[in-house]
Parts: sequence; C-alpha cells; structure tokens
Amino acid sequence: EPEVTQTPSHQVTQMGQEVILRCVPISNHLYFYWYRQILGQKVEFLVSFYNNEISEKSEIFDDQFSVERPDGSNFTLKIRSTKLEDSAMYFCASSLDREVEAFFGQGTRLTVV
Amino acid sequence: SQQGEEDPQALSIQEGENATMNCSYKTSINNLQWYRQNSGRGLVHLILIRSNEREKHSGRLRVTLDTSKKSSSLLITASRAADTASYFCATVGTGNQFYFGTGTSLTVIP
Repeated sequence: EPEVTQTPSHQVTQMGQEVILRCVPISNHLYFYWYRQILGQKVEFLVSFYNNEISEKSEIFDDQFSVERPDGSNFTLKIRSTKLEDSAMYFCASSLDREVEAFFGQGTRLTVV
Repeated sequence: SQQGEEDPQALSIQEGENATMNCSYKTSINNLQWYRQNSGRGLVHLILIRSNEREKHSGRLRVTLDTSKKSSSLLITASRAADTASYFCATVGTGNQFYFGTGTSLTVIP
C-alpha cells in the first residue's frame, strides 16, 4: 500500500542551526502539507502546497520556514535558524484532491538543544 | 478558530465495551474526518463524513454529523485493546488544510 515516508525519524540540532526535514508523498497525490505536534499538544497546521506553490500557511509558518518540492518526488520543510520552541514532531501529509482524506507520514521528531 | 474540540479528553473502558467520542467545531465545513494516533506515531485516517451526510459506518466505526449543532461523534463498538490510541477529529473548510482538535485519549483495558 502506498505510504508517505519521512526522513529522518529523529533529528537533534543545536539552536540556531538550519534543518531540512524530508518527505516523499504518495506519488499521484497533488496536495502536500506539513503539520507539527508539540509533545502532548494538538496537531497544528503549518502549510499546504499545491501546483508548486504554497496555497495556505498558518501564522506559525513565519520567515524561518520554507518548503520546496525540488524534484517532483520529495517535499521538504526547512527551518533556517532553529529555536528551542521548534522542538516537536513534524508530520508530512499528502492527498489526492482537496477535501478528501490525507495520508500522514510517521513523523520526524525534531529536538532543538 | 476552525479547530475542533473533542470530548472527553480521556476515556477508559473495558474491552468489549463501546467507546463514544464527540467533536465540536466552530465554522462551516465541507467535510469532517476522524484520525487515530498511536503514541508517538503518525495519524491514520479512519473515516470521512461529508457535510450533507448524517451518518456513516465503517466496520466497527460509526460516525454521525450534525451540522446544525456543529458536532460529530465517533462510536467504536466492541472495543479491543488495540483500539487504545488518541482520536482526533479534523475539519476541512473552504481551504484545503485540515484543522485538528485536541484529541480524545482512549484506553481499552483487556
């Protein structure tokens, strides 16, 4: 069964460093998303991406964040200068169309020290 | 905020019993979805109900939607220990992002 894969599963980085979280969405999906979940809290929307551009973003997704789909298969989330409060589980998701079920990856646990 | 709120926050039942979780939301929706999350893992889609539907079944799952009350419920019948997880409702409005609620933590005791 097709699935969304994310790498790495766990990333530890020093405050101020740049990190890139990688995702391979399901191949025929057209909509891509990043979400994050701080430990013990709700899943929060970061950004959605369609047709090679950001379609929506939340207020969390500030200038420190960027997304790319560099080669038609990968979908990356970059955090330019990490802060302690960026520590969270980051989930990538994809969907075939709007308003249908999204398929989530297993997440990347980002720890900023 | 468009995010849903689940109720109760935590639920503990014996294996074989039914579990009911509720979700309330604030704005108009096109559909509402329920997801499950095992501890430290990703979200798994369970069921989608469209705004023009009132009830939907999938295996041991039954979902209802009342758009006039802006609420939904998820019923898991004949629960199993493997159903232990957090359950989230997600609303999908006019945009194409999902807004998740705070979740219900379900524990099924063998």
